[in-house]
Amino acid sequence: NAGVTQTPKFRVLKTGQSMTLLCAQDMNHEYMYWYRQDPGMGLRLIHYSVGEGTTAKGEVPDGYNVSRLKKQNFLLGLESAAPSQTSVYFCASSRWDFPRGYTFGSGTRLTVV
Amino acid sequence: AQSVTQPDIHITVSEGASLELRCNYSYGATPYLFWYVQSPGQGLQLLLKYFSGDTLVQGIKGFEAEFKRSQSSFNLRKPSVHWSDAAEYFCAVGSRNSGNTPLVFGKGTRLSVIA
Repeated sequence: NAGVTQTPKFRVLKTGQSMTLLCAQDMNHEYMYWYRQDPGMGLRLIHYSVGEGTTAKGEVPDGYNVSRLKKQNFLLGLESAAPSQTSVYFCASSRWDFPRGYTFGSGTRLTVV
Repeated sequence: AQSVTQPDIHITVSEGASLELRCNYSYGATPYLFWYVQSPGQGLQLLLKYFSGDTLVQGIKGFEAEFKRSQSSFNLRKPSVHWSDAAEYFCAVGSRNSGNTPLVFGKGTRLSVIA
């Protein structure tokens, strides 16, 4: 049982380049989330999805786009990467019912130079 | 909107000593609460959760936490710390009343363990 899988694990981008981070879960969870983690800032929610075809903005959505075309996948896109987007990105998923504990992936470390 | 405060950014304890990590939340009703642990280079792992019932909850790795409504707190405790407990710990709060609202996480407390 893989849980939540994030690809890639590491990536270096040049300013202005684009990329997509993939999150896949095999637990049939309805909800999925993208967070970024920066030193001293904790986890900040970027976007989330409560079901296939639906997405919503979190605390820090600017510069990111997301899509949830399939229930098991949640994609995070950076259209034009900026150094401020250097961070560790975590995907998580949860059931719809309470208590809504999250299962996290192992993270993607992204550096924008 | 709910919020979570972890007052201690970094705590150092000796191996074998007891541990208490503080978590205070702001929420108008009874929340549901979690503690997660993150080892270096890893994702977050659920330690324990409170939803209802007994306010003292037991988790994995010998951790426990107590929900105190009067103090809006959910402090994490362990009677005897092991070197492998060195990690970052996150408290999170969820809303019972707003069905789709994601969890709100604190900024974390980094635990160092010395011999």
